[in-house]
Amino acid sequence: GENVEQHPSTLSVQEGDSAVIKCTYSDSASNYFPWYKQELGKGPQLIIDIRSNVGEKKDQRIAVTLNKTAKHFSLHITETQPEDSAVYFCAASVSGGSYIPTFGRGTSLIVHP
Amino acid sequence: KAGVTQTPRYLIKTRGQQVTLSCSPISGHRSVSWYQQTPGQGLQFLFEYFSETQRNKGNFPGRFSGRQFSNSRSEMNVSTLELGDSALYLCASSPGGVGDTQYFGPGTRLTVL
Repeated sequence: GENVEQHPSTLSVQEGDSAVIKCTYSDSASNYFPWYKQELGKGPQLIIDIRSNVGEKKDQRIAVTLNKTAKHFSLHITETQPEDSAVYFCAASVSGGSYIPTFGRGTSLIVHP
Repeated sequence: KAGVTQTPRYLIKTRGQQVTLSCSPISGHRSVSWYQQTPGQGLQFLFEYFSETQRNKGNFPGRFSGRQFSNSRSEMNVSTLELGDSALYLCASSPGGVGDTQYFGPGTRLTVL
């Protein structure tokens, strides 16, 4: 089955710095890679996703890159703000149908003001 | 459009009891998945229901069960509770399949004493 590794488990940055979280996956059939942000006491919220037919996607301060050959994808957050502090999860799945997504173990991002 | 709702938000039970959790998906979504989230194991897939049928099942004992109603609302039941069942139980809905974009509810925090 699919295996998703996520690094680092904890990331501490100063406000205004950039943050990068990396995930690797094992199943070459995976073609859909969402990223979720989970704040304390809340459920995970989708922040950005990417499909295997593109290499990069941006949404304001957030971007995701995908390297299908190397089977890794990364989340980039620029100009971090204290409200970016949360746990971030990556996931890999096959779009459509009933393929169960596999989640990374999460990265706790702490942005110091 | 209203998001995924889960009730109750918090629950305290004792060992041996049973519990039923409820999830109302986003209007129009036919797939409902359930996850268990713990600090030690991360996000673990329990099962997925689509059009009132269980389509996928994770690696959990038979004490964990669920069902889906004709209006797509779903319930999960845990019988004979154990201390290790203490967790955040998350429900996620998607339009067509578990491999599609999933939208999570806020979760039900279950504590077993």
